[in-house]
Amino acid sequence: AQRVTQPEKLLSVFKGAPVELKCNYSYSGSPELFWYVQYSRQRLQLLLRHISRESIKGFTADLNKGETSFHLKKPFAQEEDSAMYYCALDPSNTGKLIFGQGTTLQVKP
Amino acid sequence: DTAVSQTPKYLVTQMGNDKSIKCEQNLGHDTMYWYKQDSKKFLKIMFSYNNKELIINETVPNRFSPKSPDKAHLNLHINSLELGDSAVYFCASSQRVAGGVDEQFFGPGTRLTVL
Repeated sequence: AQRVTQPEKLLSVFKGAPVELKCNYSYSGSPELFWYVQYSRQRLQLLLRHISRESIKGFTADLNKGETSFHLKKPFAQEEDSAMYYCALDPSNTGKLIFGQGTTLQVKP
Repeated sequence: DTAVSQTPKYLVTQMGNDKSIKCEQNLGHDTMYWYKQDSKKFLKIMFSYNNKELIINETVPNRFSPKSPDKAHLNLHINSLELGDSAVYFCASSQRVAGGVDEQFFGPGTRLTVL
């Protein structure tokens, strides 16, 4: 079955510390993977997608097909990074996003 | 202001009632979606329409019926509301591009509370 797992419900770090939000997926084909973010009182919005290989707001995510992972990383967390982060898989390129359970990132001053 | 908008923002109603949530996008996208976010913040797709045609229909009770009068609108009608329908419902839209679909743009959500 196609599934996305984010094992951490809450990740709490201090400002300036490195951050890694874990995401593992279950899919046998070539995955289309995304990270979406929801800041407090804002809409859910795309942070980055693996196909673009961009770094957005200092975040990067590398697809590891061997480990079926797409972890989100940032070397130095900022307080404004505090938000809910969702990893999502589009297995059939139809827009049918399968979301993980979400991880709340809390960056303390 | 180009965006995805939903009305109402909050909806409180009694069990057994019928209610509708409206969604409109002015981004010129051809695909629209409804998602349900439960109390644990888990997001799950319900439906997707492409140019007014239903293309994704997940395992959702028949009481839920989406309606797309045109490609800029996708409304969600819910009959005989149950306690378990209480959730935040998100509308989203995207545009088909070569090889798939582009990023999805989400509405602000409608918080439905069934008493």
